[in-house]
Amino acid sequence: QQQVKQSPQSLIVQKGGISIINCAYENTAFDYFPWYQQFPGKGPALLIAIRPDVSEKKEGRFTISFNKSAKQFSLHIMDSQPGDSATYFCAAAIQGAQKLVFGQGTRLTINP
Amino acid sequence: GAVVSQHPSWVICKSGTSVKIECRSLDFQATTMFWYRQFPKQSLMLMATSNEGSKATYEQGVEKDKFLINHASLTLSTLTVTSAHPEDSSFYICSGEDRAYGYTFGSGTRLTVV
Repeated sequence: QQQVKQSPQSLIVQKGGISIINCAYENTAFDYFPWYQQFPGKGPALLIAIRPDVSEKKEGRFTISFNKSAKQFSLHIMDSQPGDSATYFCAAAIQGAQKLVFGQGTRLTINP
Repeated sequence: GAVVSQHPSWVICKSGTSVKIECRSLDFQATTMFWYRQFPKQSLMLMATSNEGSKATYEQGVEKDKFLINHASLTLSTLTVTSAHPEDSSFYICSGEDRAYGYTFGSGTRLTVV
C-alpha cells in the first residue's frame, strides 16, 4: 500500500513536443505529491508539487494533473527541450516528517 | 528556497576504512533528515530517518552498525560508512524536510570503495 507506480520507464520525445509521465498510488492518506528532476551525478531537485485539494497545478512549462478518485497523478512537460533530458521521479508522502515514497523513475530523452 | 549542502561530492576510499558524509541545511532547520542510497539507473532507496537529538530509524535490511547516522543539531546530519567494502560503493543522498519547502535534497556523494 506504500507503493507508487510510475510509467513509462523511459520516454523519447521530439523537441517541442509534450512529455507525459504517469504515477499511481494506493495509500489514500498521502497528502503531498512532488515531482523531482535528477541529472546524472546530482541529487533530485523539486520541480513541482501538488496537494489533493486541487486537480491541476501549473508552473511554467510543467503541469501536474491530479485525479484523486483514480489515485493517479501525472506530469506534463510542454514544449519539451533537450535540456529537459533527465530522470524524473514522482513521489508521495503524508507530510509532517514522514518519508517520501518514490516511483521507479522515468528516463526522459528529448531529441533535438 | 531551502538548500541542503552535502559534502564531499565524491570520495574514494580503501576497503576497511570509514567514510563520513555531511549534510547541512543552510537556510532552514531540518528537524528530520533522510538518507538515501541510489544504484545506477534505479530509484532512491531510503536507508534511514534521523530526528535531531535522537537515534535514527533504519529501514529494514539496513545495517545500523555499518551506516552510522548522527543528527546532533537542526542543521547538521552525518552518515558514516564504517569498514567500507566494495559493495558499499554507491550514490548517497541526504534530504531535509521543512514545512515551508517540503523535502530538499543534497547534491549527493559518490562513494567508491577500492
